[in-house]
Amino acid sequence: GQSLEQPSEVTAVEGAIVQINCTYQTSGFYGLSWYQQHDGGAPTFLSYNGLDGLEETGRFSSFLSRSDSYGYLLLQELQMKDSASYFCAVRHYGQNFVFGPGTRLSVLP
Amino acid sequence: DADVTQTPRNRITKTGKRIMLECSQTKGHDRMYWYRQDPGLGLRLIYYSFDVKDINKGEISDGYSVSRQAQAKFSLSLESAIPNQTALYFCATSAGTEETQYFGPGTRLLVL
Repeated sequence: GQSLEQPSEVTAVEGAIVQINCTYQTSGFYGLSWYQQHDGGAPTFLSYNGLDGLEETGRFSSFLSRSDSYGYLLLQELQMKDSASYFCAVRHYGQNFVFGPGTRLSVLP
Repeated sequence: DADVTQTPRNRITKTGKRIMLECSQTKGHDRMYWYRQDPGLGLRLIYYSFDVKDINKGEISDGYSVSRQAQAKFSLSLESAIPNQTALYFCATSAGTEETQYFGPGTRLLVL
């Protein structure tokens, strides 16, 4: 089977750093992706890790460790506009995508 | 202009009715997907298509059917709608083996 787990909610203050974890129980996947979804909006792609290690894109970084079945999204210098839900996802060797349940991030002033 | 469009954006229907949700894309992508989103459950795959002649069931295909009318169009049908199909439905596209999926704006469906 394929399943991904994420914390349901995370709260942080403006300017802080927050890490959203994603653990998975699946085999045979190409890599781990992260998507952001604001309330009422569509998911939008943030980051992808095909190999183990850290990928950095501006204020956002993402990490993957296949040996630990674990990844995370790191958001730095938090801004109010970062309040949203964040989803991890894997693209299975069967070519379809599987998404985690999502983490709702609340950024407080 | 939006690259992935969905119609309608909102729909209210009654139990037992047949309805169709439509998705069109101008991105030129070969792969298209239909997802359903329920609170706390993330996005669950209903059906996906890698080209016009390729249709595959996803995690939760029961009660749904799809049609890939052209590379740019992928429709989702609920043959006989039931209340637990009330959800937010997203269409998405991707290109070949790229990892990025591009989502439409979503269709909010309420089945009474």
